[in-house]
Amino acid sequence: RKEVEQDPGPFNVPEGATVAFNCTYSNSASQSFFWYRQDCRKEPKLLMSVYSSGNEDGRFTAQLNRASQYISLLIRDSKLSDSATYLCVVIHNTDKLIFGTGTRLQVFP
Amino acid sequence: GAVVSQHPSRVICKSGTSVKIECRSLDFQATTMFWYRQFPKQSLMLMATSNEGSKATYEQGVEKDKFLINHASLTLSTLTVTSAHPEDSSFYICSARVYLGTVYGYTFGSGTRLTVV
Repeated sequence: RKEVEQDPGPFNVPEGATVAFNCTYSNSASQSFFWYRQDCRKEPKLLMSVYSSGNEDGRFTAQLNRASQYISLLIRDSKLSDSATYLCVVIHNTDKLIFGTGTRLQVFP
Repeated sequence: GAVVSQHPSRVICKSGTSVKIECRSLDFQATTMFWYRQFPKQSLMLMATSNEGSKATYEQGVEKDKFLINHASLTLSTLTVTSAHPEDSSFYICSARVYLGTVYGYTFGSGTRLTVV
């Protein structure tokens, strides 16, 4: 089983839609959680950290459920520019980033 | 701040030759750098962790004699793919851990697309 699992998608949604991605992780000792965004053939860029209490940054909301070991990302009012691959990232006590395979989002006009 | 410059961005080499990829931290000191490889439609897979002044720690299944990592200074880490073969063609990305005052952050180089022909 992969340490961090995501639905690869693609999720095809119209502009203005709300879309949610989930991610599950297997290591209960995982300490830090992030969502990264990766555009085609580019390096990943940090979208947001994920805190236990849940956190919001504009149109993006991230939530963490430690008991069930999953993380979610909600994108409201999707824009064309949101089209990308969203990577779930987990860190445990080794300080190494462990990446999920990513979920591809395509927003269409 | 916390910029990592990675070069080259793209390289094509002949099978059997060696290729060196450089990552430089431009405005901070990177004690620890990570090297990743990403095949098409797959996740970033950690290859090794390099610490300045010491030997790199390789992940299981990564050949240390094939992927030579040197982290001789606080601002430069290099990955050399020796005797490259077509199956080594991939997207290689470095990442540096940077202390942000209260927590650590991770900044990435722009990646190197290696094609071995």
